[in-house]
Amino acid sequence: NAGVTQTPKFRVLKTGQSMTLLCAQDMNHEYMYWYRQDPGMGLRLIHYSVGEGTTAKGEVPDGYNVSRLKKQNFLLGLESAAPSQTSVYFCASSSGLAGGLRPNIQYFGAGTRLSVL
Amino acid sequence: TQLLEQSPQFLSIQEGENLTVYCNSSSVFSSLQWYRQEPGEGPVLLVTVVTGGEVKKLKRLTFQFGDARKDSSLHITAAQPGDTGLYLCAGAVLTGGGNKLTFGTGTQLKVEL
Repeated sequence: NAGVTQTPKFRVLKTGQSMTLLCAQDMNHEYMYWYRQDPGMGLRLIHYSVGEGTTAKGEVPDGYNVSRLKKQNFLLGLESAAPSQTSVYFCASSSGLAGGLRPNIQYFGAGTRLSVL
Repeated sequence: TQLLEQSPQFLSIQEGENLTVYCNSSSVFSSLQWYRQEPGEGPVLLVTVVTGGEVKKLKRLTFQFGDARKDSSLHITAAQPGDTGLYLCAGAVLTGGGNKLTFGTGTQLKVEL
C-alpha cells in the first residue's frame, strides 16, 4: 500500500551540483505534480504532468527540469543547484481533472528535504 | 498569480478550546480543499467543498465554503492534542490540463494539554 514514494528523503548539495529527485506512484494515476514548500508560503507548483510523456510548467519552474518517461514515475532535476532551492519538495499524483462537482484528490509523498550550501 | 491567505499563521491553544481558521482570496475557485500536514509527512486531504455556501462536518471539524466561492473557514470544536499540525487550504481552478491547486500560506496549530 505504498501510494506515492519519494527518494531520497534528505540530501545536501553544494552550489552548482546537480541531482535528480524521483517520485513513484502505484495508483495508476494520470496526473503528477512537483511542489516546493517554504515557511509561510504554502506549497508552490514547480512542474506537472497530465500523462506519460507530457510535462508543463507550474508557478515556479525556473532552475528545474522534469521528465515523465513512464506513467508511474515523475523525475525532478536540478542542473545547477543554488541556495535559493533549499526547500522541502513534495510530489503528488491524482487520477484526473478537477473542477465543478467532481473535484479530484491529490495524494502526496512524504517529501525530500534538500539543503544547498 | 492567485493567492490564498490564511489566518492566523500560528495558533497555540489549550485542549478543549474552540478555534477557527480562515482562508481568503480575491479569486473564485471551482472547489476548495483542506489538508492537514504532520511533521515529516506530506499533506493529507481532510475535505473538499464544491458549492458556494456549502458546510461539511467531519467529527469535530466544520468546513464552510463562502457563498461567492472565494473564501473558506475551518472550525474545530473542543480541540485535542491530536489536532496539532499544519492546516492548508487549497483552491482548485478549472484549467485546460491538470488538477492544479493553489495552496494557502498555512496555519500552524498546536494544541496543548
